[in-house]
Amino acid sequence: DAGVTQSPTHLIKTRGQQVTLRCSPKSGHDTVSWYQQALGQGPQFIFQYYEEEERQRGNFPDRFSGHQFPNYSSELNVNALLLGDSALYLCASSERRGTWGPSEQYFGPGTRLTVT
Amino acid sequence: AQTVTQSQPEMSVQEAETVTLSCTYDTSESDYYLFWYKQPPSRQMILVIRQEAYKQQNATENRFSVNFQKAAKSFSLKISDSQLGDAAMYFCAYRSDSNYQLIWGAGTKLIIKP
Repeated sequence: DAGVTQSPTHLIKTRGQQVTLRCSPKSGHDTVSWYQQALGQGPQFIFQYYEEEERQRGNFPDRFSGHQFPNYSSELNVNALLLGDSALYLCASSERRGTWGPSEQYFGPGTRLTVT
Repeated sequence: AQTVTQSQPEMSVQEAETVTLSCTYDTSESDYYLFWYKQPPSRQMILVIRQEAYKQQNATENRFSVNFQKAAKSFSLKISDSQLGDAAMYFCAYRSDSNYQLIWGAGTKLIIKP
């Protein structure tokens, strides 16, 4: 059973460019959350997708956008990159269980983004 | 707003000994979940243990156990019989029952001395 996968593993971009990161959830999971983890810090919640819609959003500007596809995979897009966007981007998947609440979040290995 | 605080940036322990990592949180909600995640150098965040706030019994998973003090808003992790493979960053995280996002502490780096 494949866990959460993310691509690419790492990439380098220049200030002002745009980047797309990809995530495939664990089998059976229908909800994807994205987190930004700056060096030496805990992750910060960016947003969560369920049924192809953004359901919750953290304190991130509109430069950060996402998408979820019918197969539950997801993309994170960041426009007009800033040096401060350099971080590890983590994707987590979970299963919504109606009134029982979501299952635990399972994390992918992350994408290391460096903005120069 | 909820917050999670880990006051120990780094801890070290001798192999086979016991170590306790501290975590405090602030919330006005009554229903929530608390987690400890481990992040080794491979970067993948791994769930270590989970505690539901409505449960009085402390969660345990093999060598890992928690001391959950709801009134004090404290949630410490005890690792018994420490092994070299336990070396990693450990993060405490909170999630409310009505909100799906995880709120994280800054982490504690655990060093295991052989």
